[in-house]
Amino acid sequence: DSGVTQTPKHLITATGQRVTLRCSPRSGDLSVYWYQQSLDQGLQFLIQYYNGEERAKGNILERFSAQQFPDLHSELNLSSLELGDSALYFCASSVGRFGEQYFGPGTRLTVT
Amino acid sequence: KNEVEQSPQNLTAQEGEFITINCSYSVGISALHWLQQHPGGGIVSLFMLSSGKKKHGRLIATINIQEKHSSLHITASHPRDSAVYICAVFMKTSGSRLTFGEGTQLTVNP
Repeated sequence: DSGVTQTPKHLITATGQRVTLRCSPRSGDLSVYWYQQSLDQGLQFLIQYYNGEERAKGNILERFSAQQFPDLHSELNLSSLELGDSALYFCASSVGRFGEQYFGPGTRLTVT
Repeated sequence: KNEVEQSPQNLTAQEGEFITINCSYSVGISALHWLQQHPGGGIVSLFMLSSGKKKHGRLIATINIQEKHSSLHITASHPRDSAVYICAVFMKTSGSRLTFGEGTQLTVNP
C-alpha cells in the first residue's frame, strides 16, 4: 500500500458525459501527478500540482482539467467524454516538487 | 523512436533464474524510476536512482548516466515476480514529469 488513495476504482459512463476522479496523496506529500494509461498509448503524464499550484503540464486535453485543494487532495475532471478516453487513470504523489513518486491504485474509466 | 527504450519487450523465465531488464534513453536525465505494474493494474515504485547501484531484497538496479543505460536485475526469480516492469526517466528538459518506456512483460514459471 503506497498510501495514495484514488476513488472511484471503476467508472462506467457514456460518451458526452463528465466525470470527476479523486486522489488523496500520501501524508506529507505536497506534489500530486496525474497519468493516463491506455492500451495504445502506454503511460502518459497529464499534469502536476505542487502545494495547490499547477507545476507542470503534459499531454492533457482541453476537455480535461485538474485542481489541488488546500487539504492537498486533487481532482481530475474529464468532460465531453469520448470512447478514446477509456483508460486507467493514475495519481501519484511525492514529497517535493521533484522526487520519487508513489502511485495510487488507479481508476479504470470505461466510456461506452 | 521513443526517448526511452526497454528490452526485451517480453521475457519468460523459470523459477530461480537470474533476470535482467534493460532501459536505454536518448536524452539527458536527472534521475530514473523503475516501476512494477501488477496484473491487476497497480503500480509500485521499485527504485529511483541517478547514479550507481541500489539493492532491495532480490532486486538490483544500476545506472550508467554517461552511457544512458540502466538495468534492473532480479535474482532467484519467483512466479510472484511476474509483472510488467517499466522504466521511466526525469528528462533534464522536462523537470518533474516522467517519460515512460513501453514496459517489459515478465513471466516466471514454476
